[in-house]
Amino acid sequence: DAGVIQSPRHEVTEMGQEVTLRCKLISGHNSLFWYRQTMMRGLELLIYFNNNVPIDDSGMPEDRFSAKMPNASFSTLKIQPSEPRDSAVYFCASSNGDRNSPLHFGNGTRLTVT
Amino acid sequence: GDSVTQMEGPVTLSEEAFLTINCTYTATGYPSLFWYVQYPGEGLQLLLKATKADDKGSNKGFEATYRKETTSFHLEKGSVQVSDSAVYFCAHNTNAGKSTFGDGTTLTVKP
Repeated sequence: DAGVIQSPRHEVTEMGQEVTLRCKLISGHNSLFWYRQTMMRGLELLIYFNNNVPIDDSGMPEDRFSAKMPNASFSTLKIQPSEPRDSAVYFCASSNGDRNSPLHFGNGTRLTVT
Repeated sequence: GDSVTQMEGPVTLSEEAFLTINCTYTATGYPSLFWYVQYPGEGLQLLLKATKADDKGSNKGFEATYRKETTSFHLEKGSVQVSDSAVYFCAHNTNAGKSTFGDGTTLTVKP
């Protein structure tokens, strides 16, 4: 199993541009989580899905952020328009939704907005 | 509400020293407990877990015991190595399927 795959690994963009981050879940997993990590705020849960349905999006900072699961194995996180304060490492993680099972994280996308 | 509180860092130790990172939690229901480790430039990865009271999780010389009476899951290692330098996160899962993480503790081990 290749694990959770995120792309791109690094993204540098200018303020105002649209950014799309991508995530491929581990086969058979039905829960998907998007996190943001910064030095100031640590690890923050943005949104999570179960069986392709968003369950809790209370961590999404504002309307500029949106996340989708077009199918059971793939998710996108879009920021439009991007701002410098969005600079962070964005992680996605998947699990089989069982209480006893851990989350499996990708290696993250480091986003820099100038 | 659900929360995880872990020892503030950073923690700096000499090689072969004893490590303890404290973790306490509040949760609705009966959670499973986890420790994750994050190495530079990587995502979090599972270090160990325990799914019921008095269970001991262990891996790579690290141990943690699920203490329901004190709602704690402290991480220990008898002799740390330079390669253990990383950020350590305590977390729990509830029946709702949502994971709650602590703020992370940065460990630096010096030779």
